[in-house]
Amino acid sequence: GAGVSQSPRYKVAKRGQDVALRCDPISGHVSLFWYQQALGQGPEFLTYFQNEAQLDKSGLPSDRFFAERPEGSVSTLKIQRTQQEDSAVYLCASSLAGVGYNEQFFGPGTRLTVL
Amino acid sequence: SQKIEQNSEALNIQEGKTATLTCNYTNYSPAYLQWYRQDPGRGPVFLLLIRENEKEKRKERLKVTFDTTLKQSLFHITASQPADSATYLCALEDAGNNRKLIWGLGTSLAVNP
Repeated sequence: GAGVSQSPRYKVAKRGQDVALRCDPISGHVSLFWYQQALGQGPEFLTYFQNEAQLDKSGLPSDRFFAERPEGSVSTLKIQRTQQEDSAVYLCASSLAGVGYNEQFFGPGTRLTVL
Repeated sequence: SQKIEQNSEALNIQEGKTATLTCNYTNYSPAYLQWYRQDPGRGPVFLLLIRENEKEKRKERLKVTFDTTLKQSLFHITASQPADSATYLCALEDAGNNRKLIWGLGTSLAVNP
């Protein structure tokens, strides 16, 4: 596809369930970012990959959050034992090169609702 | 503390007028700043990037200014159209924090026909 895709678009989970969110970046893009966006807020950085290497995970809110990009393309964000405060839109973005003067291309996001 | 602030109130303007959105920051020294547009239910879409040594950047009906002394960027949409209605986000590069992007809350713009 031409853009960044994310699946599922919507996810409803019961508190305590584990969820996995998938991101397919633009082919050839080196960098991949995960953000969390609450309603009425800007995106908040979660983690950053350059190819398969996770270079920055400082934004992950707790050790329940885990991200991987094993082959340097598709990435998965996993949230274990979901809590209500995890409800948000999770955005994935990719860019051609590393951090710096590069625009980021975003997917449509996954809206996670934890009941 | 470090802050990035955008117009907190939604902006309503008449079609054909110029919309001006503000992004102010404190305690950052960004090498560049980006503006994105976000529509409901969608991810942000890149519009413009301006570097610290550039005073102004233009793209079609869009103009961005960057004043590193005032620590402010202004985003202008001239001859606005109802299709410009969206939320506009500014994001700056945090050089002291692995150069990741730090985002404002966004300003909601409504262009009335």
